[in-house]
This record gives sequence, C-alpha cells and structure tokens, in this order.
Amino acid sequence: EAQVTQNPRYLITVTGKKLTVTCSQNMNHEYMSWYRQDPGLGLRQIYYSMNVEVTDKGDVPEGYKVSRKEKRNFPLILESPSPNQTSLYFCASSPTGTYGEKLFFGSGTQLSVL
Amino acid sequence: TQLLEQSPQFLSIQEGENLTVYCNSSSVFSSLQWYRQEPGEGPVLLVTVVTGGEVKKLKRLTFQFGDARKDSSLHITAAQPGDTGLYLCAGTAGTASKLTFGTGTRLQVTL
Repeated sequence: EAQVTQNPRYLITVTGKKLTVTCSQNMNHEYMSWYRQDPGLGLRQIYYSMNVEVTDKGDVPEGYKVSRKEKRNFPLILESPSPNQTSLYFCASSPTGTYGEKLFFGSGTQLSVL
Repeated sequence: TQLLEQSPQFLSIQEGENLTVYCNSSSVFSSLQWYRQEPGEGPVLLVTVVTGGEVKKLKRLTFQFGDARKDSSLHITAAQPGDTGLYLCAGTAGTASKLTFGTGTRLQVTL
C-alpha cells in the first residue's frame, strides 16, 4: 500500500532532550516536506526537500533540522526541544513537488514538550 | 509570505443543509487545492484548480477558483455527517515547491 509512515504517533518529552521524528515513503517520491499544525494557524511548512541531498527552509524552520540521505526517508530533528514546539507534526510527499501536485500526508505525530 | 484566510472558522449545521466555505488572499496563486482532514489523520486532497474562474464538482462538493486567482470557495449541497472534518485550502505561488495552507474551517454536520 502506497503510504507515508511517521513514527512515533505520540511523543512526550522534556525541554532540551534531543528527539527525532522519522518519516518514510514507499512511493519513490522526489519531494518531501514537514509541516506543523497549530489551532487557528493551519499547517505551516518547516522544511522541504526537492530531492536527495537538497533541502530548504520553509516558513518556520527555527529549532528544527532535517536530512535527506535517502530518497525514501526524511527525518525531523529537534536538537533542543522547547515548549513552543508542542504541536501536531505532519510529513508529506509528492512525486516531483511541481505546483498543483497531490501531496500525500502521514498520519501525524503529536509532540508535547514539557 | 502569502496568507490564506478561511471563513468561517467553525460551522455546525444539520444534515441536508447547504454551506459555503471561503478561502481568500491578497496574493495571486498558480494553483489552489482543497484538502479534508479527519481526526487523527493527515489531510487528504479533494481537488486542485489552476485556471481563474474554474469550477470543479466532486459529487455534492463544488469548488470554484476566483477569476483573479486570489480566492476560492467550496460549496457543499445537502451536507451529510460524513462531510464532518477540517477543510483546508492551500495555494502555490511563485516557487512551485511552496504550498501555503489556509487557517482551516472546521465543519460539523449533525443528524
């Protein structure tokens, strides 16, 4: 089944403790992206990757890192999480990132930073 | 940064009623998409519109892209409980990889 898989689904951590949220897609998509979703703000893009080894900042990249060493994986790294990073995170992918293309989303990761 | 404002923010209606959700911006978009998101899941694409004035229908849902490509609307006829969810518009302008999402409209349809 074609899908975007995120892990974990739920994560509770403490301020300053490094964490990684994994994202994997099995559709051979070139484009991958991370979003955070907060009430009343919709989805805001954190980072995106047009292809392997090419990543760029989205609207809210502060406090986050990403890497794209393989086409299928695009992990999101929080080196020193803070409470304002408590949010619902989504990974998404599409074939090429061309405008108008369908984005496939994972099921989300609910992160709480205490 | 392009902004997409959706209205209303919340909508609670009874089964069988009609409704319209609006997505507005001061920016011009190359394309505009509508997604629906259910609790515990990621957004799922409903439609993409790319031409000013374009109208697309998906069963009871009608989507329209404004002539100036700055706004869009989603009209649902005879709403059903299965239509309940968060509706998000999203637009692409300039750089093809940059998709800007609207603030969302949460729809609840009751029996």
